[in-house]
Amino acid sequence: EPEVTQTPSHQVTQMGQEVILRCVPISNHLYFYWYRQILGQKVEFLVSFYNNEISEKSEIFDDQFSVERPDGSNFTLKIRSTKLEDSAMYFCASSDGVLGGNQPQHFGDGTRLSIL
Amino acid sequence: RKEVEQDPGPFNVPEGATVAFNCTYSNSASQSFFWYRQDCRKEPKLLMSVYSSGNEDGRFTAQLNRASQYISLLIRDSKLSDSATYLCAHLGGSTLGRLYFGRGTQLTVWP
Repeated sequence: EPEVTQTPSHQVTQMGQEVILRCVPISNHLYFYWYRQILGQKVEFLVSFYNNEISEKSEIFDDQFSVERPDGSNFTLKIRSTKLEDSAMYFCASSDGVLGGNQPQHFGDGTRLSIL
Repeated sequence: RKEVEQDPGPFNVPEGATVAFNCTYSNSASQSFFWYRQDCRKEPKLLMSVYSSGNEDGRFTAQLNRASQYISLLIRDSKLSDSATYLCAHLGGSTLGRLYFGRGTQLTVWP
């Protein structure tokens, strides 16, 4: 069964440093997402991406965050200057459609980001 | 305003028991609903989509009540492997692809 893959599984970074989280969505999917989950809290939406541009972003996704699809397979999340409160699990997800029926999002196994 | 609310539990049930979770949502325009399960420190895994007419997948039954704005998940004949956190989620009606998750309901099935 095809799956979303994420690297690295765990990233430890000093506060203020830049970090890039990588994802390879399911190959025939067209819609890509990033979510995060702070320990003990709910999964929160960050951003959605379609047709090489951001479709929607949440209030969490401020100027320190950016996403990119540099080639036909990778989808990255960059945090420019990390803060302690960025420590969380970051999940990438993809789906093959958005409207017109129940088209669920499939999640990668996440990157645990720890900011020191 | 909380988009999705769930009873956090924990629900502790013996093997073989039937257990049900409810989840309420605030956006009446929401289109699509899902149940995910999440094991400790793992990713959400899709359990099932929730259809307006209700749907069943083996021991799992999901229902949607639009009038009261809640969805439910029923697990019959609980197994030890069902122990996890169950997340309900919906796609917001006016946004494309943004999933709103509840905080999850923790289930422990004991032998």
